[in-house]
Amino acid sequence: QQPVQSPQAVILREGEDAVINCSSSKALYSVHWYRQKHGEAPVFLMILLKGGEQKGHEKISASFNEKKQQSSLYLTASQLSYSGTYFCGTEGGSQGNLIFGKGTKLSVKP
Amino acid sequence: DGGITQSPKYLFRKEGQNVTLSCEQNLNHDAMYWYRQDPGQGLRLIYYSQIVNDFQKGDIAEGYSVSREKKESFPLTVTSAQKNPTAFYLCASRRGGLTATNEKLFFGSGTQLSVL
Repeated sequence: QQPVQSPQAVILREGEDAVINCSSSKALYSVHWYRQKHGEAPVFLMILLKGGEQKGHEKISASFNEKKQQSSLYLTASQLSYSGTYFCGTEGGSQGNLIFGKGTKLSVKP
Repeated sequence: DGGITQSPKYLFRKEGQNVTLSCEQNLNHDAMYWYRQDPGQGLRLIYYSQIVNDFQKGDIAEGYSVSREKKESFPLTVTSAQKNPTAFYLCASRRGGLTATNEKLFFGSGTQLSVL
């Protein structure tokens, strides 16, 4: 069952912040975050493995609440290059079964 | 350079025809994956393989078949039973095989399949 991402789309001005949420109905081993630009392959951002784990990647960070089976991706001081579709991928139950949400389309305007 | 190569980039299928999408990696990865991407649907898992000669069905395996005879190759066949095959297909791989949970995916550049 696909994890649920919200919002489906968001439009920002450069320098604004955004939060993308990902929730699952199943217990999770890990949460992956990827960004895909139109016509290109998804690019890895980060993996979170433990409940409560937080990670950062430049001005992009994420948290993982294992109990709530949720993860959030935080984008601060957004740049034009952050535009794209963000996907969370979750792995739980059957190891190796890495499934993705429907994505959140982020558009950053000048 | 190491990476994943998908071919062809564009593929057309006639009614009732089986077509095979190629995926080759030279990263020495144990695990390989096939995803289907439709607008607004995200990435949906078709099949995955954690070791050679073994593979598991994903959420939308019906109408597809795979093989994993070699570590570096994981071809996907779209059979005539798949009634709506038009989509963008992505192949991915990662290290670790059966212990791959903490490993990221590397994606190929994709194949766009269309029905004539």
